[in-house]
Amino acid sequence: QQPVQSPQAVILREGEDAVINCSSSKALYSVHWYRQKHGEAPVFLMILLKGGEQKGHEKISASFNEKKQQSSLYLTASQLSYSGTYFCGTEIRGGSQGNLIFGKGTKLSVKP
Amino acid sequence: DAEITQSPRHKITETGRQVTLACHQTWNHNNMFWYRQDLGHGLRLIHYSYGVQDTNKGEVSDGYSVSRSNTEDLPLTLESAASSQTSVYFCASSRQGSRRQYFGPGTRLTVT
Repeated sequence: QQPVQSPQAVILREGEDAVINCSSSKALYSVHWYRQKHGEAPVFLMILLKGGEQKGHEKISASFNEKKQQSSLYLTASQLSYSGTYFCGTEIRGGSQGNLIFGKGTKLSVKP
Repeated sequence: DAEITQSPRHKITETGRQVTLACHQTWNHNNMFWYRQDLGHGLRLIHYSYGVQDTNKGEVSDGYSVSRSNTEDLPLTLESAASSQTSVYFCASSRQGSRRQYFGPGTRLTVT
């Protein structure tokens, strides 16, 4: 049931772009994205609720393909502050509201 | 300011002891969640509650219990601590009708 995130880790130079993918074997109601810096709590980035929906947060955006049960997080013109581990949390269709199953995370490192 | 707090932040205990981790939020959120985070596993849901007197098991609930006697608090109890329960524990909350979760700072528990 746990969604699969790819890649597991990525190293970027400042200004480069990255894509993080999240794929589930279950029909999804929503996909959530969180970022966690080392030693800190996860911080909410965005929720995608509708098939094909795309949302943005500064230079970070995401899409949700409901039919394929996949979501992608796009980081453009990366900044040092983007470093951290990104988690997708999936809410299964027909499940309890807000009951999330998280992927194992993607560690993003942005170098100067 | 409204917030979510966890205590203690660090705890070392011995195998077989009962341990209670506290979670307190001042947002008056109905929904509260407990996760554990281990390297290689991401965040896994232990228990959750949608309101006073309501508690539900998550995917890794064995050996844990919760009770909800008021809106603000959801303490997590390890009935008989085991070394496999060494982990970082995060509490989270969300308001009714919203899926955005706010995470507490975490409790690092070591069972020796």
